[in-house]
Amino acid sequence: ETGVTQTPRHLVMGMTNKKSLKCEQHLGHNAMYWYKQSAKKPLELMFVYSLEERVENNSVPSRFSPECPNSSHLFLHLHTLQPEDSALYLCASSQEPSRGGRGATNEKLFFGSGTQLSVL
Amino acid sequence: AQSVAQPEDQVNVAEGNPLTVKCTYSVSGNPYLFWYVQYPNRGLQFLLKYITGDNLVKGSYGFEAEFNKSQTSFHLKKPSALVSDSALYFCAVSPGYSSASKIIFGSGTRLSIRP
Repeated sequence: ETGVTQTPRHLVMGMTNKKSLKCEQHLGHNAMYWYKQSAKKPLELMFVYSLEERVENNSVPSRFSPECPNSSHLFLHLHTLQPEDSALYLCASSQEPSRGGRGATNEKLFFGSGTQLSVL
Repeated sequence: AQSVAQPEDQVNVAEGNPLTVKCTYSVSGNPYLFWYVQYPNRGLQFLLKYITGDNLVKGSYGFEAEFNKSQTSFHLKKPSALVSDSALYFCAVSPGYSSASKIIFGSGTRLSIRP
């Protein structure tokens, strides 16, 4: 196990549903990420919460909404999704330098096993 | 803008033979380069990284990668492939010392090792 846990493992939802993906990391890291993995496409970074600040990819549609209540938990709220949103959604964490200093980092990402999302 | 390319969607190798998974990159400055592996129904796992120093980097499970600055390549290699090496491999690059949020991933290469 990598220390990053995602639930659920599989999710099937209709286009009018609202659902949430959950991620929890037990590594004491200070940054968490949502990635989208589609077949034969580069892994796409969707959202980053680093040092409690949110960094967004401006190309992510507003039907995806992240929430990070603390440094160990990350959610991705889904509403009115489209069939093309079907993909594997991966959560990751890392240790980033503290603000104002270089701190400790090795730029290594630790990934969860993902949630396989199917939108009907 | 930085980018990374994995020119092969799939690589097929017989068990016991050497394997190479190709990666080329484009980034300003001195790059940090990574390889990650994804086994079925799992997330990505870190294999190895190049930051500076020796161009040949050794990683987990007997894998190594060679940094070639003139060719802007970072190919993954293993002298003798195992069936258990069958997985999806991702190359990644970031522009030097920076946050992990700056890491850009390739589209992945599926490695298939036949017995």
